[in-house]
Amino acid sequence: EVQLVESGGGLVKPGGSLRLSCAASGFTFSSYSMNWVRQAPGKGLEWVSSISSSSSYIYYADSVKGRFTISRDNAKNSLYLQMNSLRAEDTAVYYCARAQYEGWFDPWGQGTLVTVSS
Amino acid sequence: SYVLTQPPSVSVAPGQTARITCGGNNIGSKSVHWYQQKPGQAPVLVVYDDSDRPSGIPERFSGSNSGNTATLTISRVEAGDEADYYCQVWDSSSDHPRVVFGGGTKLTVL
Repeated sequence: EVQLVESGGGLVKPGGSLRLSCAASGFTFSSYSMNWVRQAPGKGLEWVSSISSSSSYIYYADSVKGRFTISRDNAKNSLYLQMNSLRAEDTAVYYCARAQYEGWFDPWGQGTLVTVSS
Repeated sequence: SYVLTQPPSVSVAPGQTARITCGGNNIGSKSVHWYQQKPGQAPVLVVYDDSDRPSGIPERFSGSNSGNTATLTISRVEAGDEADYYCQVWDSSSDHPRVVFGGGTKLTVL
């Protein structure tokens, strides 16, 4: 069964940092692009970042560029999102999702909640 | 930047057909993907590449894409189809490709 499990969310103060992880299983992780997508409370989906299968191509939304860093460890079947200089507007559920390169996202993890508040 | 526009809400009676639109400049030249999200759950892919269905998705879900509008059609709507629906494309028009989601449409089954 293809599965993605996020972890690392929590409560952090503005200006703080947090590292999210996404553990993949049930498929050849190293063959797929991976993405982070977030959803603020009561709002729609917002793409955050993409990384290609070999980490050759990395893209960010303008809203997080320079503050967030996406990475992956194919040996550990894991995806990461290092989030620095966090702001209140970064509060959201963060989902990891497997992607066909520049295509659709399937499946998605269950999400991890990040709350930025003093 | 590329913008996808969806109606905030669509209402339909059980057994009828729901059509959810996704507008974008020349969206017909892009591949459009659709997701269903029920409250408290992660999104689920229901249509990819304009009109293909993943395994396990009922044939009642179909898609089309032409000109400036893509459409998700749900035939013979059931109470269990009530959810938020999002369209998605890749915008590769600049040096920095990015993923774009529509604002989402809440489908209400009357």
